[in-house]
Amino acid sequence: GESVGLHLPTLSVQEGDNSIINCAYSNSASDYFIWYKQESGKGPQFIIDIRSNMDKRQGQRVTVLLNKTVKHLSLQIAATQPGDSAVYFCAERTGFQKLVFGTGTRLLVSP
Amino acid sequence: DAGVIQSPRHEVTEMGQEVTLRCKPISGHDYLFWYRQTMMRGLELLIYFNNNVPIDDSGMPEDRFSAKMPNASFSTLKIQPSEPRDSAVYFCASSLRQGYGYTFGSGTRLTVV
Repeated sequence: GESVGLHLPTLSVQEGDNSIINCAYSNSASDYFIWYKQESGKGPQFIIDIRSNMDKRQGQRVTVLLNKTVKHLSLQIAATQPGDSAVYFCAERTGFQKLVFGTGTRLLVSP
Repeated sequence: DAGVIQSPRHEVTEMGQEVTLRCKPISGHDYLFWYRQTMMRGLELLIYFNNNVPIDDSGMPEDRFSAKMPNASFSTLKIQPSEPRDSAVYFCASSLRQGYGYTFGSGTRLTVV
């Protein structure tokens, strides 16, 4: 399961820094959003989700922010580690009950 | 639970041949999804099932693609005849409720030469 590759936006950070990955979603009727992490050779892995009636949700080292006014999601990773290096996707559940994925952002963490 | 299990992990086939990809969802999950991932188009939903019944196959690219779910623990995605443009990674995912917390398999990398 090698993820989409060469033309992904890339965020490069140093170990220990905080990372912010952004995502613009398309459907104002979307009511649920998920962030996934995909490592090389693996399937997408659930990180954190948020419903549209919330604007912030926190997990362990991760926070998702939702701005419905501008249809924007962000994923914040605190104290980024080399193991966080992966491609990150946001996904929105549209009014048609489908989970639609964004194009992804590659996160590179340097030790 | 072993998670969503897909087979084979890799498949190389010649153009024109039939290809069958297999998926075993997590026990108790009643939704099953097939996705395709390519560099050009990202992750695309092909079809999904609820309680073994196909609900939406609007993402299936053409008639060469078909999917079945004969029981709650098994699904297949078949391509006949295969073409080089079908080369991609195909993922199966399952969930308890539609749209919540999908669990993905490790994917099948298909190469059609």
